[in-house]
Amino acid sequence: DTGVSQNPRHKITKRGQNVTFRCDPISEHNRLYWYRQTLGQGPEFLTYFQNEAQLEKSRLLSDRFSAERPKGSFSTLEIQRTEQGDSAMYLCASSHSSPGANVLTFGAGSRLTVL
Amino acid sequence: AQKVTQAQTEISVVEKEDVTLDCVYETRDTTYYLFWYKQPPSGELVFLIRRNSFDEQNEISGRYSWNFQKSTSSFNFTITASQVVDSAVYFCALSGTSSNTGKLIFGQGTTLQVKP
Repeated sequence: DTGVSQNPRHKITKRGQNVTFRCDPISEHNRLYWYRQTLGQGPEFLTYFQNEAQLEKSRLLSDRFSAERPKGSFSTLEIQRTEQGDSAMYLCASSHSSPGANVLTFGAGSRLTVL
Repeated sequence: AQKVTQAQTEISVVEKEDVTLDCVYETRDTTYYLFWYKQPPSGELVFLIRRNSFDEQNEISGRYSWNFQKSTSSFNFTITASQVVDSAVYFCALSGTSSNTGKLIFGQGTTLQVKP
């Protein structure tokens, strides 16, 4: 078990460009979560999947954001037409569905800088 | 509304001192969970403890201990005999309305610096 893996670890992009982050969860975990963390703040929930179904999305997830988990394994988070306010650390986490469904294992995060 | 407040932004102690990190929460749910996570400089959040709302027993794990008091809506974390490796940002978190999911509400975090 190699833990939760996120790629790329760092991404610098220009405003208006599209970016995509990938998350590979722990293989036996069927729930996968995306969080966003800005400097000096705690993580904020964005969305989560159970297997391939996206079960909840936060209001923070604007129309420019889309997340997928097509085969119930890895997930991608795409941000279209990036804005400077999108600069943050994007964290992925995974868990079992039950029991202990709310104990999350986090990845190291993907840091986005929008110039 | 649900909320977690960590009033201490930064704490600095000298190695071997005891330190307590405060956490106050707000929720109208009767069933909920509270958590502490550690975020070292590498960035990866590490789970430390989970407590459900029906279990107010204090817990001790090595140098770490947790004090859960529903009467004051607090879930404080104490590190005894702190070490330099304890330097990190510590987050307190609360499970959302769907308490059995990983949709957590995090506090702002407390940065702990332990000096040698």
